[in-house]
Amino acid sequence: GAVVSQHPSWVICKSGTSVKIECRSLDFQATTMFWYRQFPKQSLMLMATSNEGSKATYEQGVEKDKFLINHASLTLSTLTVTSAHPEDSSFYICSARSGLAGGNTQYFGPGTRLTVL
Amino acid sequence: KQEVTQIPAALSVPEGENLVLNCSFTDSAIYNLQWFRQDPGKGLTSLLLIQSSQREQTSGRLNASLDKSSGRSTLYIAASQPGDSATYLCAALSNSGYALNFGKGTSLLVTP
Repeated sequence: GAVVSQHPSWVICKSGTSVKIECRSLDFQATTMFWYRQFPKQSLMLMATSNEGSKATYEQGVEKDKFLINHASLTLSTLTVTSAHPEDSSFYICSARSGLAGGNTQYFGPGTRLTVL
Repeated sequence: KQEVTQIPAALSVPEGENLVLNCSFTDSAIYNLQWFRQDPGKGLTSLLLIQSSQREQTSGRLNASLDKSSGRSTLYIAASQPGDSATYLCAALSNSGYALNFGKGTSLLVTP
């Protein structure tokens, strides 16, 4: 149980285009979802936290107008990288947490590798 | 904010050796601590989760310990194998936090 999927697994786009990444919790309801970014040989850095039905909370230094997050249902969150540039190329990993009692365990998706040309 | 540090950054050992990976965290008021494995270009595989009330967890050849008072956790790998080669990440969830904070990882290479 507790499976999180991401789509697409990789994407290559031209500079200036927008890219949408989906994160789904397949067998549980995720009241909270997280988006992380990982640069090569670096650790995972939290970008934002989203609760179903409310606006996302962004970490310091993360542009909310550039990284649009939507958490419209208990099983789906999307991250849209708007007007992507080469410096946005990174590995994006989502994580979901159940709202059940004792549910502070985060389950991670397989990641999406974004390459902006 | 919870800061997580992992030492060493890289480690190379011959097959069969026992080894220890270290993780330290700045906020001892943690809810839980988790160890992950990440293969090159891949996502995270959860290895062990230690709740704040626990001192260690074991899974096969892996044993993770937690010492909240000193702000440290160790991951012990027994009888290492080439298939254990990967990056190992430590992550801590603070009582006051809402998301896991990750260390930079230890890159492990086990040579045949």
